[in-house]
Amino acid sequence: QKEVEQDPGPLSVPEGAIVSLNCTYSNSAFQYFMWYRQYSRKGPELLMYTYSSGNKEDGRFTAQVDKSSKYISLFIRDSQPSDSATYLCAMTPYSSASKIIFGSGTRLSIRP
Amino acid sequence: NAGVTQTPKFRVLKTGQSMTLLCAQDMNHEYMYWYRQDPGMGLRLIHYSVGEGTTAKGEVPDGYNVSRLKKQNFLLGLESAAPSQTSVYFCASSSDEVAEDTQYFGPGTRLTVL
Repeated sequence: QKEVEQDPGPLSVPEGAIVSLNCTYSNSAFQYFMWYRQYSRKGPELLMYTYSSGNKEDGRFTAQVDKSSKYISLFIRDSQPSDSATYLCAMTPYSSASKIIFGSGTRLSIRP
Repeated sequence: NAGVTQTPKFRVLKTGQSMTLLCAQDMNHEYMYWYRQDPGMGLRLIHYSVGEGTTAKGEVPDGYNVSRLKKQNFLLGLESAAPSQTSVYFCASSSDEVAEDTQYFGPGTRLTVL
């Protein structure tokens, strides 16, 4: 069983919809949680970073962590075609980039 | 300001051949990383460096070697390529090694080993 599970999609929604992307994990030691966005044929870029449980909002993006359920989510409001990309969740038990475990990514397509 | 660049962008090798992937960054970052990305597997850390002249093993180091002779460059070598090393390779750099510090990724190198 993988430490981090992520539905590969693809997920296709109409423009303006609210998108929910999710990951589950098995290691209760994970404390630092990240979401990366990766456009086709490009490298990933850090979108959101959250420490421990709770919510964090940045513009149209909200990251949510539920450590009791070992479940994290990324919500995208008012989705735009430019949001079409693969979204990778990532997490680590320590504040150390060399210990980050990445999910396999969910491919998202926003239909105009 | 180019950020992180990778050379080459594409490469096809035959089993047993060797090659070196070059990563260069112009942000004066101390930390550099090599990842591989495979379908259904996510990104996995191969090797990383915490400064000029240093290297350390990541999650999947076997079959790879690295060198950081200059602060701005991080080289990944495959001495005897195998089909299992077919992957997309990403280099990244950051100013700090903490998880919350942004890693800047290069555009990737697509390697096929026949």
